Amino acid sequence: EADIYQTPRYLVIGTGKKITLECSQTMGHDKMYWYQQDPGMELHLIHYSYGVNSTEKGDLSSESTVSRIRTEHFPLTLESARPSHTSQYLCASSETTYEQYFGPGTRLTVT
Amino acid sequence: QKEVEQDPGPLSVPEGAIVSLNCTYSNSAFQYFMWYRQYSRKGPELLMYTYSSGNKEDGRFTAQVDKSSKYISLFIRDSQPSDSATYLCAASWGKLQFGAGTQVVVTP
Repeated sequence: EADIYQTPRYLVIGTGKKITLECSQTMGHDKMYWYQQDPGMELHLIHYSYGVNSTEKGDLSSESTVSRIRTEHFPLTLESARPSHTSQYLCASSETTYEQYFGPGTRLTVT
Repeated sequence: QKEVEQDPGPLSVPEGAIVSLNCTYSNSAFQYFMWYRQYSRKGPELLMYTYSSGNKEDGRFTAQVDKSSKYISLFIRDSQPSDSATYLCAASWGKLQFGAGTQVVVTP
């Protein structure tokens, strides 16, 4: 069973606040990903990392940033939250590029 | 044009029926083909994957890939209400490309 954790699960925050969404995995996977998913819509890759100190932007333009200082940890930060950032954020990790294991997601609402 | 196309549904079937899900793709470089299941307000869960063309069976689930027609299929036999979820197909040649997902509702 995949062990990947995201906190918080739900977050309601005001416009302009800085937020960090946490993602951790205990499987020792080198590859980690952040996806954005609006209700009933498809997944969009916003950031990925293939190892420590390696991060890349995904297919969907995002104002968020990520860091990868430890293999197991891949936090996502929004410096100034806006209502347009309201969405579900899903973290995933994998050993290969195709067998990705997802966390439960963080549902973010910016008011 | 999206590289992986999937009908969003919803697809409603009675309990015990066979669920048939399909996707098409455009990139000939794709080598791995996956099906994920996503329950409401949860992250996707990998059901099974297939390398290149062929069939793969796991319990009530069968995945098929036809590279000549660029067609990906998932069949669920003896469907149960607990199979009600959104099913996402995906394909990979380095990066993973997801379809939009098909919502499946199995009615008792």
